Amino acid sequence: TQLLEQSPQFLSIQEGENLTVYCNSSSVFSSLQWYRQEPGEGPVLLVTVVTGGEVKKLKRLTFQFGDARKDSSLHITAAQPGDTGLYLCAGFHPSGGGADGLTFGKGTHLIIQP
Amino acid sequence: DAGITQSPRHKVTETGTPVTLRCHQTENHRYMYWYRQDPGHGLRLIHYSYGVKDTDKGEVSDGYSVSRSKTEDFLLTLESATSSQTSVYFCAITGTPERGYTFGSGTRLTVV
Repeated sequence: TQLLEQSPQFLSIQEGENLTVYCNSSSVFSSLQWYRQEPGEGPVLLVTVVTGGEVKKLKRLTFQFGDARKDSSLHITAAQPGDTGLYLCAGFHPSGGGADGLTFGKGTHLIIQP
Repeated sequence: DAGITQSPRHKVTETGTPVTLRCHQTENHRYMYWYRQDPGHGLRLIHYSYGVKDTDKGEVSDGYSVSRSKTEDFLLTLESATSSQTSVYFCAITGTPERGYTFGSGTRLTVV
């Protein structure tokens, strides 16, 4: 069983600050995905990383996949209230033909205060 | 056009009654999934489908059944609802699982 641990569980910071959230596992994943979920809605895919060491940027968000493909980080620069939400990481492992779903972390609840 | 819709969005039902949730997609994706999301547990996979009439169990499948008679529809049935099945249910679709899923907006189910 692959497990993904996210930290911190909760984070509340002021607008304009920088932050990093982490997604760690002892298992190797062939890809890792980050989602953001707002209250009352389903998760929305932000990015998928597939290569060890890969870095992807989405405006003020920077995603990195660990060299060993066991961990990932999400860094937000100059956080804004619109960044508030639940951030989920999910690792994909090609077992069972690859159709049996992702392994999700429990998420980081992020609140950006104006 | 959302590409994936869930119905109903909200439902309150009594213990012991059957309940069916519907997921409809317009993307012609092969893979469809049902998850439940609960505080402290995150998203947990109930059942999934990798084609018409091809389904399999996830980690929390007890008390649930699914059917997929058409590519676009994936139904989740609670045969006899229990209070422990009070949750938010999400459907997800994808053509390429390793690249990411598209989730529906969810169904909030309350069993009283």
